[in-house]
Amino acid sequence: KQEVTQIPAALSVPEGENLVLNCSFTDSAIYNLQWFRQDPGKGLTSLLLIQSSQREQTSGRLNASLDKSSGRSTLYIAASQPGDSATYLCAPDSGGYQKVTFGTGTKLQVIP
Amino acid sequence: DTAVSQTPKYLVTQMGNDKSIKCEQNLGHDTMYWYKQDSKKFLKIMFSYNNKELIINETVPNRFSPKSPDKAHLNLHINSLELGDSAVYFCASSPGAPQADTQYFGPGTRLTVL
Repeated sequence: KQEVTQIPAALSVPEGENLVLNCSFTDSAIYNLQWFRQDPGKGLTSLLLIQSSQREQTSGRLNASLDKSSGRSTLYIAASQPGDSATYLCAPDSGGYQKVTFGTGTKLQVIP
Repeated sequence: DTAVSQTPKYLVTQMGNDKSIKCEQNLGHDTMYWYKQDSKKFLKIMFSYNNKELIINETVPNRFSPKSPDKAHLNLHINSLELGDSAVYFCASSPGAPQADTQYFGPGTRLTVL
């Protein structure tokens, strides 16, 4: 059974800082891993999808890396902005028809 | 031009009642999902449908019954609601190719059972 842990659970940083969110998963036999953003009271927005054969993906100020063998992924946010404040979830796909397991998330607050 | 929509957004009901949550996607995707997010914000997949056929059925009480009248809709019917059913339920969809696709989520339905 896949278990996903995200550290830290909460993070508060001043605007402009670069930061790293960590995700670890117990079953390294994954097909891909997705990072989501969740805003209070809203649905999930997909940020990045990394295939198991890839090491990283970039989108704007976001960079996600994947080390499948060690069961780890990181989400790097450059030059953080108050609009980045949200909960960030990682979700590895362990197989079947998109059998996705979510971590409990990292709640990020970027202070102006 | 909402991609994945859910109705209702909020649902408050008494224990023992039967209720349904509707989900529709206009993305032309083949696969749809239901997730439950509990009070600790933990998201767990409940069901997955591909082209109207059930693919994933996690350990969910059989009081929960998904219904997919067509590929663009996946409704969730819950019988005999219990207090522990209170949660936010998210619908999602993806194009359908296994292990390769981004999932798109609806805004969620907050269910409160009194």
